Amino acid sequence: DTGVSQDPRHKITKRGQNVTFRCDPISEHNRLYWYRQTLGQGPEFLTYFQNEAQLEKSRLLSDRFSAERPKGSFSTLEIQRTEQGDSAMYLCASTSGGNNEQFFGPGTRLTVL
Amino acid sequence: QKEVEQNSGPLSVPEGAIASLNCTYSDRVSQSFFWYRQYSGKSPELIMSIYSNGDKEDGRFTAQLNKASQYVSLLIRDSQPSDSATYLCAPRSYNTDKLIFGTGTRLQVFP
Repeated sequence: DTGVSQDPRHKITKRGQNVTFRCDPISEHNRLYWYRQTLGQGPEFLTYFQNEAQLEKSRLLSDRFSAERPKGSFSTLEIQRTEQGDSAMYLCASTSGGNNEQFFGPGTRLTVL
Repeated sequence: QKEVEQNSGPLSVPEGAIASLNCTYSDRVSQSFFWYRQYSGKSPELIMSIYSNGDKEDGRFTAQLNKASQYVSLLIRDSQPSDSATYLCAPRSYNTDKLIFGTGTRLQVFP
């Protein structure tokens, strides 16, 4: 399978715990995006990388969220001190640029109890 | 005004009919537009992209773009029950590379 992969697919955690998600983009895609989606809404942009550089971060993203892409390949998204409002599907997408067709991974569904 | 507006639906059409999904956007300088299909509990799947005014056809799907009216649409011909899903419209922001999604239109195709 050469698509975008995400791990884990599901995560249940207690409020106040830290969680980390991983995304592996399509091979040779230099741009990687994180989105968050809640029920009944479209995906909401969080941040994106071109290679290892984080080029934009949503103003809606609190300081509890951090993302990295240290070698320009896979990326991690960490949420510290989780809150119930963080419960959502976290989606990763990648593209090779140009026409910017973004392809999504299966997502990580986070439930904060 | 929302950046991207779509009728949430549900839009119900009989099998074999044409489903018409509409989207308006507020960013006048958006250059690229994408339609995604999302089944319940799954991630979005890219089905169409369009960059120029006019129509673009791909199989049973036709995307239509009118930049002057800030309007983009998706037509699905010969609708099938397997087309039942939420369809998300996503213009690409001109100044950044992020996609701005609407809330999606839920399509139901009944036999």
